[in-house]
Amino acid sequence: AQKVTQAQTEISVVEKEDVTLDCVYETRDTTYYLFWYKQPPSGELVFLIRRNSFDEQNEISGRYSWNFQKSTSSFNFTITASQVVDSAVYFCALTPSSLNTNAGKSTFGDGTTLTVKP
Amino acid sequence: KAGVTQTPRYLIKTRGQQVTLSCSPISGHRSVSWYQQTPGQGLQFLFEYFSETQRNKGNFPGRFSGRQFSNSRSEMNVSTLELGDSALYLCASSLADSTYEQYFGPGTRLTVT
Repeated sequence: AQKVTQAQTEISVVEKEDVTLDCVYETRDTTYYLFWYKQPPSGELVFLIRRNSFDEQNEISGRYSWNFQKSTSSFNFTITASQVVDSAVYFCALTPSSLNTNAGKSTFGDGTTLTVKP
Repeated sequence: KAGVTQTPRYLIKTRGQQVTLSCSPISGHRSVSWYQQTPGQGLQFLFEYFSETQRNKGNFPGRFSGRQFSNSRSEMNVSTLELGDSALYLCASSLADSTYEQYFGPGTRLTVT
C-alpha cells in the first residue's frame, strides 16, 4: 500500500517570508512519480511539478523549489518570498509507474493550507 | 486549448437514485482519472481510463463505475446513492497516462439528500 503524508495541515506566513511544505511518502514500488498540485480558492487543482523516482536532482523554478530525497522518502516544496496569491491548498501526490501492477493508482496527501498574509 | 470540462457542475439527488457524471478531457489527452474529494477523506482515487480500458481502480464499492469512449470522453456512474456519496467529483486528464501531469476539471458537486 502506498501513503502520502503532509504533516502540516495549515501554515500561515507573512508576505515575503519563505515557506517549506513537507511531503513524506511510503511505497513498495521501485519506480514511481511524485507530484505537487495547487488548489487555489477557485477550486481547480493546478499542476506544479512532476519528478520520477530516478531523478533526485532538485529543481528551482522562479520562486518555487523542490527537494527530493529518496533516502528519506521526502519531496518537499519551498516558496521563496511568498505572495498573497500563493494562498491555496497544496497537495503532494504519488503515482506508481507503468511497470507496477497498481500503475496509475494515484495517492494524494491530505493537503497543506497555506495562508499568506499581506 | 480548452481545459477539462465536467458536466453538470452541481447536482442534487436523493438516496437510492443513480447519477451519471461526464468529463471531456483536453484534446489529445488519452487518459482520464476520476477522484472523489471530501473534507474528511481528502482526494481519493476512483479509477483511471486509458484508451477506453480501465487501467486501475481505487477502493470504492461496485456502485461506482465508469467508462471511456473512443473520443476519450469519460463518464462515471454511481448507483443506489448514499448520503456519504456527497462530494466533489474531480476528473483529470493527461497526455498518455496518469504518470504524466494531470489537468483537472472544475469538478461536479454532488449532494445526496
